Amino acid sequence: AQSVTQPDIHITVSEGASLELRCNYSYGATPYLFWYVQSPGQGLQLLLKYFSGDTLVQGIKGFEAEFKRSQSSFNLRKPSVHWSDAAEYFCAVGANTGNQFYFGTGTSLTVIP
Amino acid sequence: NAGVTQTPKFQVLKTGQSMTLQCAQDMNHEYMSWYRQDPGMGLRLIHYSVGAGITDQGEVPNGYNVSRSTTEDFPLRLLSAAPSQTSVYFCASTRTGGVEKLFFGSGTQLSVL
Repeated sequence: AQSVTQPDIHITVSEGASLELRCNYSYGATPYLFWYVQSPGQGLQLLLKYFSGDTLVQGIKGFEAEFKRSQSSFNLRKPSVHWSDAAEYFCAVGANTGNQFYFGTGTSLTVIP
Repeated sequence: NAGVTQTPKFQVLKTGQSMTLQCAQDMNHEYMSWYRQDPGMGLRLIHYSVGAGITDQGEVPNGYNVSRSTTEDFPLRLLSAAPSQTSVYFCASTRTGGVEKLFFGSGTQLSVL
């Protein structure tokens, strides 16, 4: 069965500190992987995506993610967090063999000054 | 370019009432979908469509109906609202389901009393 796991429900980091949000997936086909961000009261916005090729992908707002097939992971990272990064982050998986996307339960990020 | 437009933004219903959540996109996307977002549950797919006249069920379709008479519109109908349908609903579209990023509407917050 297809699934996406985000093991951290909530993370608090200090402004300027580094950040890593974890994502593990289970998908039988070749995965298409996404990270979305949701600011309060807003819809979701794409941060980055991985389809193939270089396993380290760069996204908007200084975010990057690394695809590790052996670990079925697609963790999101940022070297230095800004207060404006406080939001909810969702990992998602899709595939070209189906029409559905599967989302994780999200990780809420709090940034303290 | 308006993107994905959802109406209304807020709605309060009484148990047993019916209503339609509207969703329209102006990007000529073939794929449209409806998600509900509940605390601790992430986004769960209700229904999706891969083109006009074609709809299919997602993970949580019970209590909801959809139709796709045009490429632009994908309304979600609640025939007899229940308190369990209290949630935030998002419409999303993309050119090709499963492989390309989703464009999200700003959401509808629905309360069923």
